[in-house]
Amino acid sequence: QQPVQSPQAVILREGEDAVINCSSSKALYSVHWYRQKHGEAPVFLMILLKGGEQKGHEKISASFNEKKQQSSLYLTASQLSYSGTYFCGTERSANNNDMRFGAGTRLTVKP
Amino acid sequence: DTAVSQTPKYLVTQMGNDKSIKCEQNLGHDTMYWYKQDSKKFLKIMFSYNNKELIINETVPNRFSPKSPDKAHLNLHINSLELGDSAVYFCASRPGQYYGYTFGSGTRLTVV
Repeated sequence: QQPVQSPQAVILREGEDAVINCSSSKALYSVHWYRQKHGEAPVFLMILLKGGEQKGHEKISASFNEKKQQSSLYLTASQLSYSGTYFCGTERSANNNDMRFGAGTRLTVKP
Repeated sequence: DTAVSQTPKYLVTQMGNDKSIKCEQNLGHDTMYWYKQDSKKFLKIMFSYNNKELIINETVPNRFSPKSPDKAHLNLHINSLELGDSAVYFCASRPGQYYGYTFGSGTRLTVV
């Protein structure tokens, strides 16, 4: 039931762009994106609700294609601080409260 | 002024023991959760608690039991600890369905 994330890992140089994908085989109500740095808690980035939308957060944005049950996280002009593991989380309905996380994408940004 | 706080941060215990992890949120959120993160960083939901309704993930052993004395607290009690219970346990909370989760800093449980 958990979503599938790709790629598993990506290495960038500062200033480069990256895309992380998240897909589900089930109809989705929402997609969440979180970033977790080593030894820390996951930190919420954004939520996208069904109806298909895009959101932006500084140089990090995301899209949600409801028909394809897919979401993508876009990191542009990456900074060293973007390093960490990115997780997508998916919910199948509004009130089930059982968000399932993908396995994560480890992003490393090098100088 | 920590939003979601967990205690203890580290817990080392022997197999067979019973232990509890406490979680408190001062955000006024309606729903609280427990997640388990294994050594491969996979985050797995264990419980959610909303307005006294408990939703249990069917794969969680009944040795694990959540206890919520009030809306701001959701504690996790574990009986007869096993080696496989070693993981980082995260508490989280959320104000409603349109919002993301706020996670606590985690409790690293090591069973020896």
